[in-house]
Amino acid sequence: ELKVEQNPLFLSMQEGKNYTIYCNYSTTSDRLYWYRQDPGKSLESLFVLLSNGAVKQEGRLMASLDTKARLSTLHITAAVHDLSATYFCAALNYGGSQGNLIFGKGTKLSVKP
Amino acid sequence: GAVVSQHPSWVICKSGTSVKIECRSLDFQATTMFWYRQFPKQSLMLMATSNEGSKATYEQGVEKDKFLINHASLTLSTLTVTSAHPEDSSFYICSASRVPGRRETQYFGPGTRLLVL
Repeated sequence: ELKVEQNPLFLSMQEGKNYTIYCNYSTTSDRLYWYRQDPGKSLESLFVLLSNGAVKQEGRLMASLDTKARLSTLHITAAVHDLSATYFCAALNYGGSQGNLIFGKGTKLSVKP
Repeated sequence: GAVVSQHPSWVICKSGTSVKIECRSLDFQATTMFWYRQFPKQSLMLMATSNEGSKATYEQGVEKDKFLINHASLTLSTLTVTSAHPEDSSFYICSASRVPGRRETQYFGPGTRLLVL
């Protein structure tokens, strides 16, 4: 059974600082997703990581995937207040027949001035 | 492209009534749609997977007689919460994929917030 664990669950950081959110998954998965969710809103797709060693960057966010370690990271560089949101990672359920996603519990990020 | 809509965006109903939520893929055909539920401050939990023209597959612990799913066309899936109770109050989010199977990105709808009084 595929399980996805994120840490930390809560992250309070100052503007300008760097930090990393970690996402571990328990069994083989060939696709890893990162999403952002603002309060009261649905999910906004950030990154899709398809292979070992994949690295994608968009603005102050960079995501990477290590399939051997079953680990994905979301690195935040020089955080700004606008990045405050909840970030979810999700892994494609490789063992499932219909391609459903298994989500981590989310990391609530609060960036303070 | 790849826009998914949900209707209604929010609904308040009395306990014991039924509520229907629609999920539409606006600019693509979705052979598979997924229904998730999210309680406050929690993650998304998959409720069921629906494929066009066939019965939905429900996750363990989800009552199929209470949460009726109909995927009648390639652009529409509906979730009906029957005899709703306050504990069914939640944020319901659907997603859709263009083709069946595991190698496809899912596109998420904006969600429907349900409050049962």
